[in-house]
Amino acid sequence: AQSVTQPDIHITVSEGASLELRCNYSYGATPYLFWYVQSPGQGLQLLLKYFSGDTLFQGIKGFEAEFKRSQSSFNLRKPSVHWSDAAEYFCAVGGASATNKLIFGTGTLLAVQP
Amino acid sequence: DGGITQSPKYLFRKEGQNVTLSCEQNLNHDAMYWYRQDPGQGLRLIYYSQIVNDFQKGDIAEGYSVSREKKESFPLTVTSAQKNPTAFYLCASRTGQGARGYTFGSGTRLTVV
Repeated sequence: AQSVTQPDIHITVSEGASLELRCNYSYGATPYLFWYVQSPGQGLQLLLKYFSGDTLFQGIKGFEAEFKRSQSSFNLRKPSVHWSDAAEYFCAVGGASATNKLIFGTGTLLAVQP
Repeated sequence: DGGITQSPKYLFRKEGQNVTLSCEQNLNHDAMYWYRQDPGQGLRLIYYSQIVNDFQKGDIAEGYSVSREKKESFPLTVTSAQKNPTAFYLCASRTGQGARGYTFGSGTRLTVV
């Protein structure tokens, strides 16, 4: 079955600390992987995406993600968190076919302490 | 600038009434999607459309209807048959190239009063 698991519902980090948000996926074909961020009452903004090639990807706002095929993981990282990073983060997986839809995880809510 | 416009941002509906949520895009994207978002449940797919005049049910289509008469527009009607319609609704679109290029609107919060 195709699925995305984000095991952490809620994470709190101190401003300036490093961050890692976990994402595990199950997908029968070569996956396209995405991380989105959502501020309260807003739509989703794409942070970064993986299609093929390197395992470490740089996105916007200083975020990066590491793809590990052997672990079916696509964890999101940031070396130093800013208060403005407080939001909900969604991992999603899809396929190459034009008929494929994105499958989303249930999200991780990030709180940043001063 | 190209993007997706959802309107209204907030919508209130009385029980038993149908209500239509608007979604318009000027990105020339082929596919459009409606998702429902509830706290702790992520995004659940309601309906999607790959081309004009064609659409398919998603995972939670009961109580909803859509139309796709124009490439730019994909309105969602929440009918009185939807038992728990209070939620945040998100519209998205993408290019025809696989799972690339999902763009989301800013959402409509529907509340049944």
